[in-house]
Amino acid sequence: EDQVTQSPEALRLQEGESSSLNCSYTVSGLRGLFWYRQDPGKGPEFLFTLYSAGEEKEKERLKATLTKKESFLHITAPKPEDSATYLCAVRPSGSRLTFGEGTQLTVNP
Amino acid sequence: KAGVTQTPRYLIKTRGQQVTLSCSPISGHRSVSWYQQTPGQGLQFLFEYFSETQRNKGNFPGRFSGRQFSNSRSEMNVSTLELGDSALYLCASSPTEAGQPQHFGDGTRLSIL
Repeated sequence: EDQVTQSPEALRLQEGESSSLNCSYTVSGLRGLFWYRQDPGKGPEFLFTLYSAGEEKEKERLKATLTKKESFLHITAPKPEDSATYLCAVRPSGSRLTFGEGTQLTVNP
Repeated sequence: KAGVTQTPRYLIKTRGQQVTLSCSPISGHRSVSWYQQTPGQGLQFLFEYFSETQRNKGNFPGRFSGRQFSNSRSEMNVSTLELGDSALYLCASSPTEAGQPQHFGDGTRLSIL
């Protein structure tokens, strides 16, 4: 069975304090791993797609990396506006998108 | 480019009623998926449609159904509503059903009294 586990469940950082979020997955035939950001009362906003081990993507203060078992979302020098829930999802071959429970990130000024 | 549009944004129903939610995908997107989001269960997959055909279905009872029209717009229906159906219902679209990112609407917040 396809599984996605995100850790930690919640993370509180000070502004400028870099950290990483983890997404561990077990799937058969990965077609893609996706990171989303979700603000309260809104739908998830697409951030990155990673397709193969070793791949990296960057956008502003965010950098996503992928290995054969897990993905990391690195947040460098975060700002309060980076506060949100970050969701990881995997797409196995011939199957639907499976989401993790998310990491709720709070960045204090 | 307009995003995914879901209507209505908020809905209040009572137990036993039925409800229909609507989703207009991004122009050119042919795949539409539906999810239920609750605080305790996270994002749970309901179904996925591509070119009017249901491609995948999640583990929900038969009270939950959906369809996709020839213009890629989609609807989902929930019959005989239960208190536990209270949730945020999210629709997402992508160009195809392959490994491309899905783009989400802001959802319909359904409350059952």
